[in-house]
Amino acid sequence: GAVVSQHPSWVICKSGTSVKIECRSLDFQATTMFWYRQFPKQSLMLMATSNEGSKATYEQGVEKDKFLINHASLTLSTLTVTSAHPEDSSFYICSAASGTSGGAIEETQYFGPGTRLLVL
Amino acid sequence: AQSVTQPDIHITVSEGASLELRCNYSYGATPYLFWYVQSPGQGLQLLLKYFSGDTLVQGIKGFEAEFKRSQSSFNLRKPSVHWSDAAEYFCAVERGNKLVFGAGTILRVKS
Repeated sequence: GAVVSQHPSWVICKSGTSVKIECRSLDFQATTMFWYRQFPKQSLMLMATSNEGSKATYEQGVEKDKFLINHASLTLSTLTVTSAHPEDSSFYICSAASGTSGGAIEETQYFGPGTRLLVL
Repeated sequence: AQSVTQPDIHITVSEGASLELRCNYSYGATPYLFWYVQSPGQGLQLLLKYFSGDTLVQGIKGFEAEFKRSQSSFNLRKPSVHWSDAAEYFCAVERGNKLVFGAGTILRVKS
């Protein structure tokens, strides 16, 4: 089946630094990738949708200058948390859609294993 | 407001026993419905989905789910649980071409 990886799986950083998280589709090309955030004992919340070669679409309430998303190739999307603060500590999950419909809901999303970020 | 409710945070069942995980949604129309499973260290995996048609949906790993419009529910079932089914299960609903997830139910399987 389709595999999506994330790197790193764990990251601890100091407040004020930036952290980059990579999301890769290993055996398929993903026109559309999604970034989610999950707080403890809460559901996944969609942060943004990115399409290869274009700007990401952010959900309401998500700061685009804080969470920079780059989807430069069909197999790689990155999320950079800029000037991270303790409240940014969370579990970040990406997914990749395997179809060509721009991430239409009928396309299956394949999820990465997540990246746990702790900001001290 | 659109929401997905999974009333049970934790469920423990004995190996070989039947399982039902509850999911309720609040939505005006008939939504697209999904169940995902997440094992430790792994990404969410799609178990099954309902878009239309037969309200009883068969999925992978022996799971099934039934859409009941009158109850706004999409409960996940398995007749006989295996120890490897221990994981966290998420119900999700489509809203505006995006997935809205419930908070998840952690399944523990005792031998």
